[in-house]
Amino acid sequence: ETGVTQSPTHLIKTRGQQVTLRCSSQSGHNTVSWYQQALGQGPQFIFQYYREEENGRGNFPPRFSGLQFPNYSSELNVNALELDDSALYLCASSLLGHSSGNTIYFGEGSWLTVV
Amino acid sequence: KQEVTQIPAALSVPEGENLVLNCSFTDSAIYNLQWFRQDPGKGLTSLLLIQSSQREQTSGRLNASLDKSSGRSTLYIAASQPGDSATYLCAVRLSNRGSTLGRLYFGRGTQLTVWP
Repeated sequence: ETGVTQSPTHLIKTRGQQVTLRCSSQSGHNTVSWYQQALGQGPQFIFQYYREEENGRGNFPPRFSGLQFPNYSSELNVNALELDDSALYLCASSLLGHSSGNTIYFGEGSWLTVV
Repeated sequence: KQEVTQIPAALSVPEGENLVLNCSFTDSAIYNLQWFRQDPGKGLTSLLLIQSSQREQTSGRLNASLDKSSGRSTLYIAASQPGDSATYLCAVRLSNRGSTLGRLYFGRGTQLTVWP
């Protein structure tokens, strides 16, 4: 049990549509990151939010956007869905800036299928 | 850019064997290295975290070592069991470089099957 919960667990969308994925981080964690994991690949970093502001981004286009809220929840939004967006989307939370908070905890992920 | 490679990509062994999974990374300026387990269709479970100043960490039958200068880490699994069957992922976090602090670079993983 990591204390990180994601919803929905599975969803199917049509190409061109928009999707919002949600994550509830561990209480007290000030950082949330989102990763995309295609089948057979390692997770790829999308972006990171620290104290409600984006402070790091991987090689993903602007149609991938996010939000982090004061209550430790966050969202990943993807616009204009493409078939290649089909993947497992993982949310990770951590407490950065503290020597005891180095471990990053992942949720169970949201499986997105774009048809 | 940090590249993380894991060898072998897949491993199938009988129960009871001792195993070594390998991870290598190109940029030795890491903050820490973390080993994860992933069951099919599931999220990631953290197994061990090694700080850049440490040489190894142990948890039960698992032992992870880190040689930062050579860019290598190994995960040793003693007396393997069928319940160990999963994909094992290695991930590194680079040293504090401002906005990228916290970002993990993952390998593709080693898919382990332990048969009875």
